[in-house]
Amino acid sequence: AQSVAQPEDQVNVAEGNPLTVKCTYSVSGNPYLFWYVQYPNRGLQFLLKYITGDNLVKGSYGFEAEFNKSQTSFHLKKPSALVSDSALYFCAVRDTDYKLSFGAGTTVTVRA
Amino acid sequence: NAGVMQNPRHLVRRRGQEARLRCSPMKGHSHVYWYRQLPEEGLKFMVYLQKENIIDESGMPKERFSAEFPKEGPSILRIQQVVRGDSAAYFCASSPTPKDTQYFGPGTRLTVL
Repeated sequence: AQSVAQPEDQVNVAEGNPLTVKCTYSVSGNPYLFWYVQYPNRGLQFLLKYITGDNLVKGSYGFEAEFNKSQTSFHLKKPSALVSDSALYFCAVRDTDYKLSFGAGTTVTVRA
Repeated sequence: NAGVMQNPRHLVRRRGQEARLRCSPMKGHSHVYWYRQLPEEGLKFMVYLQKENIIDESGMPKERFSAEFPKEGPSILRIQQVVRGDSAAYFCASSPTPKDTQYFGPGTRLTVL
C-alpha cells in the first residue's frame, strides 16, 4: 500500500521567513502526491498535486512543492510565510485509482 | 460553481441514536468519497460511491455504518446506534472522475454524548 509520512507535528516560523513542511512517501510505481490545508473548523482545501512532469509544482496561495524521487520526498514550500498561513497541512498519496492516504498532518504557526 | 456541500455542520447525538450526514457533490461531479478524521489523527478513507453504486467500502466499519448515493439527491452516510467512539469529523469529497483531484466539503462534526 502507498503511504506518506509527515515527520514534524509542528512547524513554527516568523512572518516573512521561508516555510517548509516535510513529507516523505512510500509507493510502488509512480506516485500521485497531494497537499491540502485545513483551517480551524473548516474542510480541506486543495493546494497542489504532483502527477508527472516538472519536479517543482506550483499551487495556490504562493505555495510550491518539490518532488524528489531519490529522496522520496515531496516537501511543501513558501518563500515568505504569512500569519494567515497558520493552519494544519496534510500530505496525501493516491492509493489505488481513487483512495487518498493522508499523513498525520503538520500544524504550522506563523508568528507576527 | 458551488463547492462540496455538507450538512449539518455540527451534529450532537446521544448514545444509541442514529446520525445521518449529507453530502452534495460539486456540480458535474458524480464520484463521492467519505473520510473520517478522528481527534489527533489524519483522515481515513471510508467509502467511495458513484450514483446508485458503492464502489469501495473497505474503510467502513462492518457494523452500524452505511452509505448511499441515490440517483437523485445527496449522498448519505448513516451511522446507527452511535457510540462515543464515533465522535469525529466526517468529510465528503467529490471529483468528476476517480483519477481527478478530490475536492472536500467543510465536514460534519459529530459529537456523541
